[in-house]
Formats: sequence, C-alpha cells, structure tokens
Amino acid sequence: GAGVSQSPRYKVAKRGQDVALRCDPISGHVSLFWYQQALGQGPEFLTYFQNEAQLDKSGLPSDRFFAERPEGSVSTLKIQRTQQEDSAVYLCASRKKSGLGERGNTQYFGPGTRLTVL
Amino acid sequence: AQTVTQSQPEMSVQEAETVTLSCTYDTSENNYYLFWYKQPPSRQMILVIRQEAYKQQNATENRFSVNFQKAAKSFSLKISDSQLGDTAMYFCAFMKHSNNDMRFGAGTRLTVKP
Repeated sequence: GAGVSQSPRYKVAKRGQDVALRCDPISGHVSLFWYQQALGQGPEFLTYFQNEAQLDKSGLPSDRFFAERPEGSVSTLKIQRTQQEDSAVYLCASRKKSGLGERGNTQYFGPGTRLTVL
Repeated sequence: AQTVTQSQPEMSVQEAETVTLSCTYDTSENNYYLFWYKQPPSRQMILVIRQEAYKQQNATENRFSVNFQKAAKSFSLKISDSQLGDTAMYFCAFMKHSNNDMRFGAGTRLTVKP
C-alpha cells in the first residue's frame, strides 16, 4: 500500500490479557517508530527501529511492553498483562532513511490502533 | 529533558482569516528540528511544516508559515486564508539532532468556522 497501515484499528482487551499490535510501514522505509497517544494528549515516543535493530526503547513504560521487527519491515508491539492505564491509541510511523541528516525528514504515521482495556 | 508546551488547548477562526498557534520548548541543545503536525478527526497525523534550528529563515509551506525565535525557544504556526479542511488537532514537536526521540506538545484543537 501507499501508506503506513496498522491492525487492528480497534482492540478491546480484558485486564490481564496479552495483545499484539501490527504495523506495516511504507515499503523500503528503514526507520520505524512506535508512539503511545493517551486521550487528549500528544503522542509519546516508545521505541525506534533501524531495519531490524531496536536502537532505542527508552520510552517503553514497563517490561510488559515489547516490540520487534524481525525482518526489518513489519513490526509488532506486544503488551503483556494489559492494565487499564495502557488504554490509548498506539501510533506507528516510518521514515525513509536513518542517517543523521535524515532525522529531520518526514515521519509518515499510520492511522493508529485504539486499545481499550476494561 | 526536552519539553514542548502548547498553551492554547482550543482555538477557532473564521474561514479565510489568519490564525496563529503558539508553541514553546525547553532544551539545552543547539542543534535540533521542530515540526508542526496536523491530526484531523479520526484521520492520520500528517506533517505540516518543519524547521531546522540552524536555519534562521522561517519555513513556509503555501498557507502555512512559522515564526521561529531560537533565543526565545518559540515556534509558532501561522495559517493564512484558513479553510474548513484545516480543522484538526495541531501538534508541535521537537527532535534533537542526535537521536530519534520526537517530543510532542499536548496539542491545540483548531476549528475553522464557515
């Protein structure tokens, strides 16, 4: 597809369940980002991949959050033992390149997955 | 740590008029990038405009322009000739030159009225 896609678009989980959120970046994009956007707030950085390497996971709020991108394209964000405070929209973004001079370039965002934990 | 502050939770403007959205940030860095993103209702976030801190000239993109005041750490967005399609949440964002951690403000909800 032409843009970043995410699935599912909506997910309802019972407290304690594990969830997996998928991101398909734009084909050929080297960099991939995950953000968490709470209701009425701006997105907050979670983690960053360059190809298959997870270079920054400083934003992951706890060890219940885990992200992977094993083949350098599709990425999955997994949340174990979900809690109510995990309810948010999870945004994925990709960027064409990864070099120092490219960091100011455009990140293309997906539509997000709205996670509701009951 | 870098913080981004958008002091206007909501704003409105009449169609065809001009509106300015405020953004301030706090950093000790000298090299960084600043962005304005637009998030329409139930739609994807898209980049509106970006500014590199080492450039003194204010960025412009058609009806969108910024007023970048580096010393004051201010980065406001001006939308000229507002259109109904400009109705959206607008987020100001900051990224250090040295990493990929983009920090967003809390957003300003802009409504363009006919």
